Amino acid sequence: NAGVTQTPKFRILKIGQSMTLQCTQDMNHNYMYWYRQDPGMGLKLIYYSVGAGITDKGEVPNGYNVSRSTTEDFPLRLELAAPSQTSVYFCASRGSDTEAFFGQGTRLTVV
Amino acid sequence: AQSVTQLGSHVSVSEGALVLLRCNYSSSVPPYLFWYVQYPNQGLQLLLKYTSAATLVKGINGFEAEFKKSETSFHLTKPSAHMSDAAEYFCAVSENTGGFKTIFGAGTRLFVKA
Repeated sequence: NAGVTQTPKFRILKIGQSMTLQCTQDMNHNYMYWYRQDPGMGLKLIYYSVGAGITDKGEVPNGYNVSRSTTEDFPLRLELAAPSQTSVYFCASRGSDTEAFFGQGTRLTVV
Repeated sequence: AQSVTQLGSHVSVSEGALVLLRCNYSSSVPPYLFWYVQYPNQGLQLLLKYTSAATLVKGINGFEAEFKKSETSFHLTKPSAHMSDAAEYFCAVSENTGGFKTIFGAGTRLFVKA
């Protein structure tokens, strides 16, 4: 059982470039989330989804976009990368259980 | 709105000593509360959770936490620290409404001295 899978694990972007962070889950969870983790700041919610076709902003959505065309996939898009987006990104999903299950993270550096 | 405060960004204990990591929360409805652990360069792993059943919750690796509504606290304890407990610990709160969003504290890094 793979759980939540994120790709890539590492990426270096130049300022102004775009990229998509991939997230897929095989647990048939309705709820999916994107967080970013910065030192000393904990995890901040970027976007979330309560089901296919439905997304909403979290605490720090600026500079990001998401889509949810299927239950399994919840990609995060960076259109114009900025140094402030250097961070570790975590995708998570949640079903009928009360807790969220996390992927292993994507470490992104924008230079 | 939900929020979580973890007291102390760094905690250092000796091996065999008591571990106490503090967490206070705010929530407008009865919350779900969690402690997650993160080892270096890894994702978050659930240690334990409170979901309105028993107020004393036991988790993995000998950790436990007590929900105290009057103090809005959910402190994490372990009677005897082990070197392998060195990691970052996150307290989190989730409301059983809306998108079931989980809000995290800033984290506490635990150091264990030999």
